[in-house]
Amino acid sequence: AQKVTQAQTEISVVEKEDVTLDCVYETRDTTYYLFWYKQPPSGELVFLIRRNSFDEQNEISGRYSWNFQKSTSSFNFTITASQVVDSAVYFCALSTRTGTASKLTFGTGTRLQVTL
Amino acid sequence: DVKVTQSSRYLVKRTGEKVFLECVQDMDHENMFWYRQDPGLGLRLIYFSYDVKMKEKGDIPEGYSVSREKKERFSLILESASTNQTSMYLCASSFKGLSSYEQYFGPGTRLTVT
Repeated sequence: AQKVTQAQTEISVVEKEDVTLDCVYETRDTTYYLFWYKQPPSGELVFLIRRNSFDEQNEISGRYSWNFQKSTSSFNFTITASQVVDSAVYFCALSTRTGTASKLTFGTGTRLQVTL
Repeated sequence: DVKVTQSSRYLVKRTGEKVFLECVQDMDHENMFWYRQDPGLGLRLIYFSYDVKMKEKGDIPEGYSVSREKKERFSLILESASTNQTSMYLCASSFKGLSSYEQYFGPGTRLTVT
């Protein structure tokens, strides 16, 4: 069975601080994909990144970076110099191929509050 | 730009009513999904469809059914709404293939059953 754990329920930071959102996953499959989504107050989930299990290179996109470590089954997300617009709920998700389609297993989300 | 739309942002229904939630996507995606989102539980998959008229149960299908008569449209049906089905419902779509493609989500429908 697949499982995704986001142990941080809520994080509050002051603007310009760096913040890391943790994600730990469990799966017995050797081929899998990891995702991060952002859910702003408007409610619509926005796709941020997809990473497959064979690609452990870290990725940077502007102020966002992701650290994938298979040895610890973690896929952590760091926001550098946070801004108020980063305030949202962030979800980590795991996908494995099962029969007819690839299904996502979501973590419970981390609510990030960035204040001035 | 991928666009997934849902018929209502907010809905209030009475216990026992039949409820239809509609989802439409415009990217010719083969896969479509229905989730519910509850505080502290994240998103849980109710049903998904990988082709027209094809469907599979997700993790929490009890009390729900779905319909996919056209590729772009996926409906979630609550046959007899109950108060424990009060929740945020999210529809998503994705390409089908050997890889696992990202899902694109609609804005959600917040359903209240009284």
